[in-house]
Amino acid sequence: GENVEQHPSTLSVQEGDSAVIKCTYSDSASNYFPWYKQELGKGPQLIIDIRSNVGEKKDQRIAVTLNKTAKHFSLHITETQPEDSAVYFCAASIYGGGADGLTFGKGTHLIIQP
Amino acid sequence: EADIYQTPRYLVIGTGKKITLECSQTMGHDKMYWYQQDPGMELHLIHYSYGVNSTEKGDLSSESTVSRIRTEHFPLTLESARPSHTSQYLCASSDDSGGRAEAFFGQGTRLTVV
Repeated sequence: GENVEQHPSTLSVQEGDSAVIKCTYSDSASNYFPWYKQELGKGPQLIIDIRSNVGEKKDQRIAVTLNKTAKHFSLHITETQPEDSAVYFCAASIYGGGADGLTFGKGTHLIIQP
Repeated sequence: EADIYQTPRYLVIGTGKKITLECSQTMGHDKMYWYQQDPGMELHLIHYSYGVNSTEKGDLSSESTVSRIRTEHFPLTLESARPSHTSQYLCASSDDSGGRAEAFFGQGTRLTVV
């Protein structure tokens, strides 16, 4: 089955700096790669996703890149703000969308230092 | 804001008690899921449903059971709670729009069995 590795487990950056979280996956058939943000006391919320037919997607300060050959994808957050502090999860699936067959990474605790 | 609700948010219960965790969504989604989130934050799928009268076990073995009598409702039941059941339980739902499907999570129920 699919295996998703996520690094780092904890990331501390100064407010205004950029943050990068990296994930690798094992199943070359995976075609859907969402990123979720989980704030304290809340459930995960989808913040951006990418499908295997594109290499990069951007939404304001957030971007995701996908390298299918190397089987890795990354989340980039620019100009970090205090409200970006949360746990971030990457995931991979062969089903193209939704929650079917999602294999999650173990999460990255992002800390924005004022 | 996602229209998926879990109750209770927090529950402390004694060993041997029967409990039901409630999950409801008002988005008309056919697909619903239960995840267990361990203290390290890793997410494990324990049950899912593709519609009324459809329930399946997930990747992580669980002593809980689920039912799906109505589209909007997907309760999870533990017949006899044990301390090993202490965890955060997250419910999610997804539509069936294939390539544009998105998963929505509830805020979770934090269960403590003493």
